[in-house]
Amino acid sequence: KAGVTQTPRYLIKTRGQQVTLSCSPISGHRSVSWYQQTPGQGLQFLFEYFSETQRNKGNFPGRFSGRQFSNSRSEMNVSTLELGDSALYLCASSFDRTGGAMATEAFFGQGTRLTVV
Amino acid sequence: TQLLEQSPQFLSIQEGENLTVYCNSSSVFSSLQWYRQEPGEGPVLLVTVVTGGEVKKLKRLTFQFGDARKDSSLHITAAQPGDTGLYLCAGAKPSYQLTFGKGTKLSVIP
Repeated sequence: KAGVTQTPRYLIKTRGQQVTLSCSPISGHRSVSWYQQTPGQGLQFLFEYFSETQRNKGNFPGRFSGRQFSNSRSEMNVSTLELGDSALYLCASSFDRTGGAMATEAFFGQGTRLTVV
Repeated sequence: TQLLEQSPQFLSIQEGENLTVYCNSSSVFSSLQWYRQEPGEGPVLLVTVVTGGEVKKLKRLTFQFGDARKDSSLHITAAQPGDTGLYLCAGAKPSYQLTFGKGTKLSVIP
């Protein structure tokens, strides 16, 4: 079974530009979450999508947005990039069928390392 | 506000030693998960604990969930260099959102 695939693995962008990151979840997983990881703040939750609907959202500015397609693939977009957006962006998928404790078990991709210069 | 506090932040030990890392919160979680992350990779799920007081063993790793479901610990027996990595705890709420601690960075020296 293929794991979570994130593309691209590495990105270098200039301040003010925008960027789109892609995530393909494990087959059969309907929930996709996005996280930002930095050395100082750790893993911070951006948003979660389930069946093409944003179900949860973290405390990030509106420059951060996402969407999910009917095949559960997800994209996140960051507009007007700032130096502080440099981070490892992780996508995680969950099976989320029963709604029980196992529903939130997350399977992560390798991440996209974004550097803003 | 960091809801989950992990300690210690850094831990460097010799191969063969035992260690315990902690994950504490003032919030109650429906379940708590532990992940290990290696450099350049995403976190990998180790275990999920659900019931207060629950203890789970995974080879040399023992995980415990506090009675009040607010805290957890991970104990590693006879640490090996392959155990090196960032250990993250994550609390789950009924809203399906996971909240992560900042992690404990473990180095096991051969």
